Order: sequence, then C-alpha cells, then structure tokens
Amino acid sequence: SQQGEEDPQALSIQEGENATMNCSYKTSINNLQWYRQNSGRGLVHLILIRSNEREKHSGRLRVTLDTSKKSSSLLITASRAADTASYFCATVPPSGGSNYKLTFGKGTLLTVNP
Amino acid sequence: DGGITQSPKYLFRKEGQNVTLSCEQNLNHDAMYWYRQDPGQGLRLIYYSQIVNDFQKGDIAEGYSVSREKKESFPLTVTSAQKNPTAFYLCASSWQRFSNQPQHFGDGTRLSIL
Repeated sequence: SQQGEEDPQALSIQEGENATMNCSYKTSINNLQWYRQNSGRGLVHLILIRSNEREKHSGRLRVTLDTSKKSSSLLITASRAADTASYFCATVPPSGGSNYKLTFGKGTLLTVNP
Repeated sequence: DGGITQSPKYLFRKEGQNVTLSCEQNLNHDAMYWYRQDPGQGLRLIYYSQIVNDFQKGDIAEGYSVSREKKESFPLTVTSAQKNPTAFYLCASSWQRFSNQPQHFGDGTRLSIL
C-alpha cells in the first residue's frame, strides 16, 4: 500500500522559478527520503530527513518535515531545465530501525521550461 | 566506479516463458531489493535480501522468484505465473547495518510481452 502521497501530481514552471512539492504519509516514520528519477532511468537519492529533524538543506534543495501533520515538502530553488524529472518521497518505518522497507509515493512530475 | 548494473535494458517475454533479470552491485552493500514500477505509479517492492542465502517477499511477490547466492548478485526471475509482467523493474542496494542510509538504484530493465 502507498504510504506517501505527493502533491501536486504534475508541476510545470519556468527556469529560475522555485518548485515546491509536498508529501503526506499515514503512519509514524523513522525517516523520510526524497528521490529523483529522470525519464527511463533509475532513482537517485537526494536527501534524507530523520523524524527528529525539522529542516535540511542540500545545495538548492530544502526539505521540511512536520511529523505532527505527517507531511514533508521539497523546495528546489532557482530551478534549471536539468531539474526536469519525477520526484518521489519514501518513508521508513520506526520498527527495528532497518531501512529495508522503503514505501514510495506516486511521485510529482516536474517540468522546468527553458 | 561503484554502482549497480542491471541487464538487459529491454527484455521481451513470450507467453508461458520465464525470464531472468540481472542485477549486480560492487558497492559491498549487504541488502538488495527488487521493485516494480508501472506508468504513473510509485515503486512497489517485490523481494528483498538482507544477507546472502536469505530473502523475503515484498508486497507483490506472486509470480516472481529470486536467489542470493553471492553478495554482489540478486537476479529476479519473472515466471509464467505472473500474468501482467509488463513494467519497469528496478534493482537497488543499501547498507543494511545502518538505518539511515539511502538506497542506490540501477537504471532498470523494461519488460514487455511479445
């Protein structure tokens, strides 16, 4: 069953604008991860945020986590055409602390127009 | 370069035929995973393995089989019992010993029915 649910399903913006994607989940987590997938390729890990963290930055990426609302957001600033991809959130359950059970959402398709 | 190699990139299956997808990693990761991705969907876990000679069913294991005879290799067989095998198959690996580590993905195999 899907744990994460991304919103919006698709997002189209102009180069240089910021892109915000949201992820909601249903049960408690150990951590939440964001991945990018270019068309026809595998997933690439972007950032991991633990349940006791509220915000993390990595380059042009900013991720927030609100465990009370069971939601996370991914912000990409100053977007580039190369950011065009699908973005997935994935959650890891708290039981056992193992990271094997990643549960993915359906993703947000981001299109950055030059 | 360390990474995960999936082969072939494209695969066609005839009615009643079993086909095997290859996944090899040189990252020295303990855990390996197989996911299925359908158009517009997130990833669904088929099988995973935390150590050599051990593997567990994921959410959609019916019609699939795996083996883990070597740490580096985790082949997936799509059997004739899988009635709807057309999908994009992704293999991943991770450090099992650490709970907050990302999964690393191969570039996938696209399976179609002839």
